[in-house]
Amino acid sequence: AQSVTQLDSHVSVSEGTPVLLRCNYSSSYSPSLFWYVQHPNKGLQLLLKYTSAATLVKGINGFEAEFKKSETSFHLTKPSAHMSDAAEYFCVVRGLTGGGNKLTFGTGTQLKVEL
Amino acid sequence: KAGVTQTPRYLIKTRGQQVTLSCSPISGHRSVSWYQQTPGQGLQFLFEYFSETQRNKGNFPGRFSGRQFSNSRSEMNVSTLELGDSALYLCASSLDTGGETQYFGPGTRLLVL
Repeated sequence: AQSVTQLDSHVSVSEGTPVLLRCNYSSSYSPSLFWYVQHPNKGLQLLLKYTSAATLVKGINGFEAEFKKSETSFHLTKPSAHMSDAAEYFCVVRGLTGGGNKLTFGTGTQLKVEL
Repeated sequence: KAGVTQTPRYLIKTRGQQVTLSCSPISGHRSVSWYQQTPGQGLQFLFEYFSETQRNKGNFPGRFSGRQFSNSRSEMNVSTLELGDSALYLCASSLDTGGETQYFGPGTRLLVL
């Protein structure tokens, strides 16, 4: 079975400083991995996805993530945080058992951006 | 293109009642998945429908059911509501069921009293 572990439940950064949200995955297969963001009282928005092409994936709003098979990690980064980045971020793996679109979510990382 | 729409956005029910939630996918999308989000359990997969057939099912009791219509719109039903069913129910659509990106709706917030 596939799973993801988000290593930090809360991350706090100052505006203009780098963001690092950590995610480790477990999968018997070459996984499809995603990062989604959820702003308060909103649905989930896809930031980026990895599907076995380039290991460095660029997403929206300046976010990127690097797939590292040797470390089973898929950390999300952004060079400079903005106040509007404050939200909850989910690392997600797509299940392959039985095919289909079952997504398994991490427990989420709440990002706080301070002035 | 319009995004995924869910109705109603908010709902209050009492224990023992049943509820039906609706999801309209992005035009052209044929796969619809449902997820439950609670503070305690996080985001959990309920089920996926594709071409009016259930493709996958999560670990939820039989009180949770769904269906998909020929126009790809989907409904989920929860019977005999329990307090623990209070949650944000999210619907996601994708073009196909083969690992395409899923796009989420704003959710229906259900409160069971």
